Amino acid sequence: DIQMTQSPPSLSASLGDKVTITCQASQNINKYIAWYQQKPGKAPRQLIRYTSTLVSGTPSRFSGSGSGRDYSFSISNVESEDIASYYCLQYDNLWTFGGGTKLELK
Amino acid sequence: QVQLKESGPVLVQASETLSLTCTVSGFSLTNYGVIWVRQPPGKGLEWMGIIWRNGNTDYNSALKSRLSINRDTSKSQVFLKMNSLQTDDTAIYYCTRVHYSSSPDYWGQGVMVTVSS
Repeated sequence: DIQMTQSPPSLSASLGDKVTITCQASQNINKYIAWYQQKPGKAPRQLIRYTSTLVSGTPSRFSGSGSGRDYSFSISNVESEDIASYYCLQYDNLWTFGGGTKLELK
Repeated sequence: QVQLKESGPVLVQASETLSLTCTVSGFSLTNYGVIWVRQPPGKGLEWMGIIWRNGNTDYNSALKSRLSINRDTSKSQVFLKMNSLQTDDTAIYYCTRVHYSSSPDYWGQGVMVTVSS
């Protein structure tokens, strides 16, 4: 089974900051990684698929990059509506979620 | 429009079997797979298993011995059964749609299941 190590578990940011979350896979996942946003009481919402492809409706301040085992997800110019938890998901070999990152306002 | 909705008991006794239904609309189960994901209170997401568009299944190795997923395509329903429940199976259970082996796009609202000892 592929393991996904996501960091940091929590993040504190001010409005307008740029934040970055990383995920490292236990093996090469060939860019098959997606990123999800989850707000309290809601189902996760897909933001990015295949490393860097923004899903329809995802604001351009969200971005993703990476290859091999190492991937990152960034939010530039954090807005109040971005306060949520974020999860990576590998889908190269079945599916595995990262542990999540809770983004809070400083 | 695409919709998924989970249903089932909100309270289950420990050692018993959980049975959940995911009812879908706006797409065919013969064209898309359905994945089950769960989330314990305050914790992260866990992939549980999938029923593929052809009816085959794959399971998380940690749950494989207790889990089964089936479907009724005529009713557009997918069924999850998990036996030998313990209190740490308390979670929100979601069903989601996948195209081939891609990333899930549409999600149900989830159903909170509490396992009582």
